[in-house]
Amino acid sequence: KAGVTQTPRYLIKTRGQQVTLSCSPISGHRSVSWYQQTPGQGLQFLFEYFSETQRNKGNFPGRFSGRQFSNSRSEMNVSTLELGDSALYLCASSLEGASSYNEQFFGPGTRLTVL
Amino acid sequence: AQSVAQPEDQVNVAEGNPLTVKCTYSVSGNPYLFWYVQYPNRGLQFLLKYITGDNLVKGSYGFEAEFNKSQTSFHLKKPSALVSDSALYFCAVRDMRRDDKIIFGKGTRLHILP
Repeated sequence: KAGVTQTPRYLIKTRGQQVTLSCSPISGHRSVSWYQQTPGQGLQFLFEYFSETQRNKGNFPGRFSGRQFSNSRSEMNVSTLELGDSALYLCASSLEGASSYNEQFFGPGTRLTVL
Repeated sequence: AQSVAQPEDQVNVAEGNPLTVKCTYSVSGNPYLFWYVQYPNRGLQFLLKYITGDNLVKGSYGFEAEFNKSQTSFHLKKPSALVSDSALYFCAVRDMRRDDKIIFGKGTRLHILP
């Protein structure tokens, strides 16, 4: 069974631009979560989608948004990029949504650099 | 609000020695607890989890963790460390009662010295 895939793997943007990252979960998984990982802040939760609905949201500004499609694939968008948005963005999928004890399966991440 | 703390940024252990990576948590209800490992330039990989039942949980690669409710801890352990265990380890908690997100600790970098 194929794992979680994320595209692109690397991305370089300039301040003020916007970016869209894509995540394809493991087949059969309906929950997709997004995380931002930086050396200083560790792993911070962005949002979680389950069956095309946003179930939970972290403490990030409205420039960060996401969506999930009927095939469970998910995208996240960051508008008006700032230098501080440079990070590794991780996507994770699991069988069920919030309130689940199922573990998450992570993709390799998208490394975003904002110049 | 739920939270998780990993008090050590880095742990150094000689190969062959036992290792412990510490984790404490805070939730209003009962917790689901997880350990993940991250190797360089990779996403996180699941190691083990505690849901209910036996306090000692066994996971991948010879790792185990002990749930201690009175101390609100879930320390990761391995009897004999390998150089290949060197990685970044994350503890995570989810409140069992609440429809809430999973919270990760800041991570502990484990160095196994040959």
